[in-house]
Amino acid sequence: AQKVTQAQTEISVVEKEDVTLDCVYETRDTTYYLFWYKQPPSGELVFLIRRNSFDEQNEISGRYSWNFQKSTSSFNFTITASQVVDSAVYFCALSESQEYGNKLVFGAGTILRVKS
Amino acid sequence: DAGITQSPRHKVTETGTPVTLRCHQTENHRYMYWYRQDPGHGLRLIHYSYGVKDTDKGEVSDGYSVSRSKTEDFLLTLESATSSQTSVYFCAIRPGLATETQYFGPGTRLLVL
Repeated sequence: AQKVTQAQTEISVVEKEDVTLDCVYETRDTTYYLFWYKQPPSGELVFLIRRNSFDEQNEISGRYSWNFQKSTSSFNFTITASQVVDSAVYFCALSESQEYGNKLVFGAGTILRVKS
Repeated sequence: DAGITQSPRHKVTETGTPVTLRCHQTENHRYMYWYRQDPGHGLRLIHYSYGVKDTDKGEVSDGYSVSRSKTEDFLLTLESATSSQTSVYFCAIRPGLATETQYFGPGTRLLVL
């Protein structure tokens, strides 16, 4: 069965610090997709990034960057120069293919608190 | 904005009563999903739909049923609510075969007393 582990339950940092959120996954599929979602205190789930298993290039979007390493089954998320607005719960997810459609398997989430 | 609404947004009910949550989308997407969010578990899939009247079970489907009689609506029913079903329920859509990405509605907070 597919599994996503986010070992860090909660992280606290001071504004402007860099922070890395860890995600380790398990799958038997050769083709799969990995995701990060953000859930701010308002409660909605915001899609951040999708990465497919054939693309191991790291990606940078502003202060956000993602490091995908198939060799260690990890898809880590780094926020550079964190800000208070980055405070949220962050979820890593893995797409599990089905006969019809797909399912997302989520990690338990990491609570990020950024203090001013 | 993925054009997804959920109703009600908040509900308090008593153990043993039936409850129906509605997910409505405006863009004719084929795939729709219901997840529940609980502390320590992230989101877990309850049921999903791959077309009108086509549904399948997810990881935590016991105690829940779904129906999809129209493309735009996906209903989640708790036949007889229990306290263990107190949770936040999220509906999601998948825009198409070209993407595996799912986009989520605003959520429904359900409290079963």
